Amino acid sequence: KQEVTQIPAALSVPEGENLVLNCSFTDSAIYNLQWFRQDPGKGLTSLLLIQSSQREQTSGRLNASLDKSSGRSTLYIAASQPGDSATYLCAASGAGSNYQLIWGAGTKLIIKP
Amino acid sequence: DAGITQSPRHKVTETGTPVTLRCHQTENHRYMYWYRQDPGHGLRLIHYSYGVKDTDKGEVSDGYSVSRSKTEDFLLTLESATSSQTSVYFCAISERGREGYTFGSGTRLTVV
Repeated sequence: KQEVTQIPAALSVPEGENLVLNCSFTDSAIYNLQWFRQDPGKGLTSLLLIQSSQREQTSGRLNASLDKSSGRSTLYIAASQPGDSATYLCAASGAGSNYQLIWGAGTKLIIKP
Repeated sequence: DAGITQSPRHKVTETGTPVTLRCHQTENHRYMYWYRQDPGHGLRLIHYSYGVKDTDKGEVSDGYSVSRSKTEDFLLTLESATSSQTSVYFCAISERGREGYTFGSGTRLTVV
């Protein structure tokens, strides 16, 4: 059974720092891995989607990598800003389960001005 | 997201009453999902659909039913609402998982 873990659960850093959020999964037979952002009281916004055949995806200051052999994905945020403060969730999709997402518990990120 | 809308956005209902939440998509995606999100539990799958009239249970399906009579609409019904069903409900769509998921803005349901 797939399990997804996110470390750390919470992170507080000063504005301007580069940071890395971690996501690990136990079953490497994933279809893709997706990173989401959720602001308090709001819905989920898709940030990056990495297919199982890809190693990384980039969007602006965000870069997500995928290493299936080690069961890890990282979300790199460059030059962090207070507006990046949110909860970041990763989710793995398995083709054998009607593409259901298995979720991590999230990392709550606070960027201090 | 413009391609998926949930209604209502907020609802307060009394214990024991039936409640129906609606998810509408304009993307013609095959898969639709209903999740609930609660503090300390994260996102949990209630039911999902893999085509018109094709649905299946998720991990927390007790007390919920769904229907999908058209590609664009996926309805979630709480047959007899209980206080434990107070939650934020999210709908999501996906074509085959390849393009990832898109989520609606959520429905905040309070059962009093």
